Amino acid sequence: ENVLTQSPGTLSLSPGERATLSCRASQTISNNFLAWHQHKPGQAPRLLIYGASTRATGIPDRFSGSGSGTDFTLTITRLEPEDFAVYYCQQYGSSPYTFGQGTKLETK
Amino acid sequence: DVQLVESGGGLVQPGGSLRLSCATSGFDFSSYGMNWVRQAPGKGLEWISYINSHPFTTMLYADSVKGRFTISRDNAESSLYLHMNSLRDEDTAVYFCARGSMARGLISYWGQGTLVSVFS
Repeated sequence: ENVLTQSPGTLSLSPGERATLSCRASQTISNNFLAWHQHKPGQAPRLLIYGASTRATGIPDRFSGSGSGTDFTLTITRLEPEDFAVYYCQQYGSSPYTFGQGTKLETK
Repeated sequence: DVQLVESGGGLVQPGGSLRLSCATSGFDFSSYGMNWVRQAPGKGLEWISYINSHPFTTMLYADSVKGRFTISRDNAESSLYLHMNSLRDEDTAVYFCARGSMARGLISYWGQGTLVSVFS
């Protein structure tokens, strides 16, 4: 099983600031099949990024993904109030399709 | 719009069974693989099962549910199911139905979830 470790566990920032979230895999993710999902309490999660760097339909360009192999990053430039949520990375290169434990992005 | 609506959650005793359903609309259900993902209280997301589109030859499971849970689908009804047997306390979670995409395991849309509580 490919274990994904996200850091930090919690990130405290203010609107307008830049957020950098990390996801490290225990094994190389084939084809860079790494996605990022956003989850707000009581809501359905939402796909943000797939293939490590491709934005999903309708996702604003302040969200960007980068990385390859085992190290990946989600960057949110100019945080908006609606961006404060929990973010999960997920690898879909091999079954089981594991998630990281999440990074909570909270308002400072 | 893509819609995924889960139902069938509730309270069940350890060792019991439950069947979750996911009604879908807004896309050609028969063309997409489908997943179940769960979230235990205070925990993160855990992928638990996948079934591919026609002709249903691929069903995958996390080790935590293998042999106890069965995923199935009815393309005529545009519905996904999760049959859960031998339920344990640690199966308590919100269960999400999630649509796949061009790559197996990539989740492109999520439902809002249904809560399963296992306790004696």
